[in-house]
Formats: sequence, C-alpha cells, structure tokens
Amino acid sequence: GQNIDQPTEMTATEGAIVQINCTYQTSGFNGLFWYQQHAGEAPTFLSYNVLDGLEEKGRFSSFLSRSKGYSYLLLKELQMKDSASYLCAVRSPYSGAGSYQLTFGKGTKLSVIP
Amino acid sequence: DAGVIQSPRHEVTEMGQEVTLRCKPISGHDYLFWYRQTMMRGLELLIYFNNNVPIDDSGMPEDRFSAKMPNASFSTLKIQPSEPRDSAVYFCASSLALTAEAFFGQGTRLTVV
Repeated sequence: GQNIDQPTEMTATEGAIVQINCTYQTSGFNGLFWYQQHAGEAPTFLSYNVLDGLEEKGRFSSFLSRSKGYSYLLLKELQMKDSASYLCAVRSPYSGAGSYQLTFGKGTKLSVIP
Repeated sequence: DAGVIQSPRHEVTEMGQEVTLRCKPISGHDYLFWYRQTMMRGLELLIYFNNNVPIDDSGMPEDRFSAKMPNASFSTLKIQPSEPRDSAVYFCASSLALTAEAFFGQGTRLTVV
C-alpha cells in the first residue's frame, strides 16, 4: 500500500524559516509534488522533485532523498499569506496498463503568527 | 485560459437524491482527475481520464459513483443515490501529462443531509 506521513500542524513566526517534512512508503516512485492549499480553496502546485537534491524556487525550496523516502519543503522569510495547508503527494506506478497513481498526504496546516 | 471550471460550487441535497458534479478542464490538457477531500481521509483520487477514456477508477468508492467524459471539454461525476457519508469537497483537476503538475478547479462542496 501507499503511506505518506506529514505533521498535522505547525506554527512559525513571520520572517522566520520553517521546514515541513514528508516521509513516504510506496510501491515504486516516480516523483514527489508539493501543493499549497489555502482554506476553502483549491490546491495549487508548488514544486516537483524526481531526482535527489534540492530544488529552489524563490522563497520556497523542496528537497528529496529517494533512498530515505523523505522530502521536505522549506519556506523562507515567512509571510502571513503563507498560512495554509501544505500537501505532499507521491506518484508511483500502478498495476494498470502503464498508469500511475498520485497519493496525497493529509497535509500540514501551517499557521504564521506575527 | 480561465483554468479548470467546476459547477456547482456548493450543493446541498437530501439523502437518496442523485447528484451531478460538472467539470471543464483546461483546453489542451489530456488528463482529467476527480478527487474527493475530507478531513478524515485527506485528498483521494477517485478516477482519471486520458483523452476522454477512463484509465483508473479504482478509487471510486462504490457503484453509486460514476464518471463520464463525453468530450475533451466536459466531464461529470454522478452519485446516485447520495448518502450523508458522501459529504466532502470534490475537486476536478487537469494536466498536460501524468508527469506534469495538475491544475485544480475550485471544487464543489457537497453536503448530503
């Protein structure tokens, strides 16, 4: 089966740095996504990792270690608008004819405080 | 492009009634996904289509759920009969490829009473 673990909630201070971890156990691996979801809104794409290492995109960076089944999302210079849920999702092969499945974690609710 | 468009945004219905959710994907996207999100289970994939053909419906909870994609610009998710445990936010998403990011619609919040 597929299992993705993330902390349920985190709190951080405006201007600080926060790291949101994600561990996964899946049958196969074909990429890891991070999505941001504000309350009552749709998830929006943040980052994609398929090889080990760090991907940087402005204030957000995402890291992947395939051997450890581990990823993290790093948010720098936190702003109040970063308060949202952050979803980790792993794509893995599915037994059906060359198809893939995307399994989401339950998300980490980040609260940024002044 | 206006993005993925879903309707209705909110739906309240009585148990036993039929519910139809609608989705218009981004033009040119070959993949369309239906997800369900609840507090307990998070975001779950129900079914996805490639070029209007259902590829994987293993996430559809039971026979009460059905999805169609009659053409490249329209898909429906139907629940018949609906039950209170179906209450959730249903998202439609589309992407250029399975390896590409998915763009989500604003979702339909379904409440079955």
